Amino acid sequence: SQQGEEDPQALSIQEGENATMNCSYKTSINNLQWYRQNSGRGLVHLILIRSNEREKHSGRLRVTLDTSKKSSSLLITASRAADTASYFCATAGHTGANSKLTFGKGITLSVRP
Amino acid sequence: IAGITQAPTSQILAAGRRMTLRCTQDMRHNAMYWYRQDLGLGLRLIHYSNTAGTTGKGEVPDGYSVSRANTDDFPLTLASAVPSQTSVYFCASSGQSGSAELFFGEGSRLTVL
Repeated sequence: SQQGEEDPQALSIQEGENATMNCSYKTSINNLQWYRQNSGRGLVHLILIRSNEREKHSGRLRVTLDTSKKSSSLLITASRAADTASYFCATAGHTGANSKLTFGKGITLSVRP
Repeated sequence: IAGITQAPTSQILAAGRRMTLRCTQDMRHNAMYWYRQDLGLGLRLIHYSNTAGTTGKGEVPDGYSVSRANTDDFPLTLASAVPSQTSVYFCASSGQSGSAELFFGEGSRLTVL
């Protein structure tokens, strides 16, 4: 399975601090995506990084991808209490069934006001 | 408001009963998906449809069936519910099959007693 595995499982930080979340995967990917889920809600897409990209930015989000290490990180800068949520990485392979997104188990981020 | 609508929001069901979870999207997306989310296991793909008239099996298809008669609707049926099917079910869609960004519904919480 190419399922991503997030690290840490849970993270608690103070408002204003940066939050770094990591994702590792097992096989070659077409792209890697990060999603956010607020409690009791559906997942919301945050950012997609392709296998030939190394870094992407979107507002306070910065995603890096290291295909040699099969890992990605999501950095949220200047965190806010509203960033409290679960974050999931999802990987997509190149062809057929492997092209379907496979999700990790998620990271629970708590941002203390 | 454009998006994905799931129904019911929650349901308690006796084991052995038949249940259909409904999913409708108004984004004219070709691809649709059903995931189940369980604590500690993340999201797992049940079934998918790349386009109207076609369906495919995901990681955990047993006990579930789907149909895709048109672009907008993608119902998930449990023919004879069992307690292990207690979960939160998410429907999602994407503009293209495979590894594109997913748009999720708000989920259907199902409890099988």
